[in-house]
Amino acid sequence: AQRVTQPEKLLSVFKGAPVELKCNYSYSGSPELFWYVQYSRQRLQLLLRHISRESIKGFTADLNKGETSFHLKKPFAQEEDSAMYYCALRPIYNTDKLIFGTGTRLQVFP
Amino acid sequence: GAVVSQHPSWVICKSGTSVKIECRSLDFQATTMFWYRQFPKQSLMLMATSNEGSKATYEQGVEKDKFLINHASLTLSTLTVTSAHPEDSSFYICSARMRGEKLFFGSGTQLSVL
Repeated sequence: AQRVTQPEKLLSVFKGAPVELKCNYSYSGSPELFWYVQYSRQRLQLLLRHISRESIKGFTADLNKGETSFHLKKPFAQEEDSAMYYCALRPIYNTDKLIFGTGTRLQVFP
Repeated sequence: GAVVSQHPSWVICKSGTSVKIECRSLDFQATTMFWYRQFPKQSLMLMATSNEGSKATYEQGVEKDKFLINHASLTLSTLTVTSAHPEDSSFYICSARMRGEKLFFGSGTQLSVL
């Protein structure tokens, strides 16, 4: 079964500390992986996708097929990073479908 | 950037009534729109994929007669929850796809059925 697991509901760090939001997936093929972010009172928006191999707002995520993980990392958290983060998987066979994890709330304290 | 407008942002209705939720792409044409449902502390679940001018494709377990989707134009899709019951209370989110596969999300609708 296809599934995305985000084991942490809440992650709290102080400003300047490193951040790692965990995401593991279950899928037999080669999926596309995404991270979406939802800031307070705003709508869900794309943060980054593994295909792009880019760094957005200092965040990076590497797809590890051996560990079936796509953890989101940032070396120095900022207060404005406080938000809800969702990991999502898109099966190659169905580009319309996005399977979301349950999300992790990141709180960055000053 | 592209904007998807979803209306209303919240609605309270009596059990047995029908509720319509609108999703509009404001500055782009969306050939495909998606409807998601999110229960508290759970993930977004895709309910259906809506293509302009054709019938929606529903995910397994989603009742098409209960959740009517109409995608009459390239900028508007509607979701009607018919004969709503308390178990239909949830957060409903739409998204629209631009060319190039980028998805834009609406701000969501909180439905509470009394």
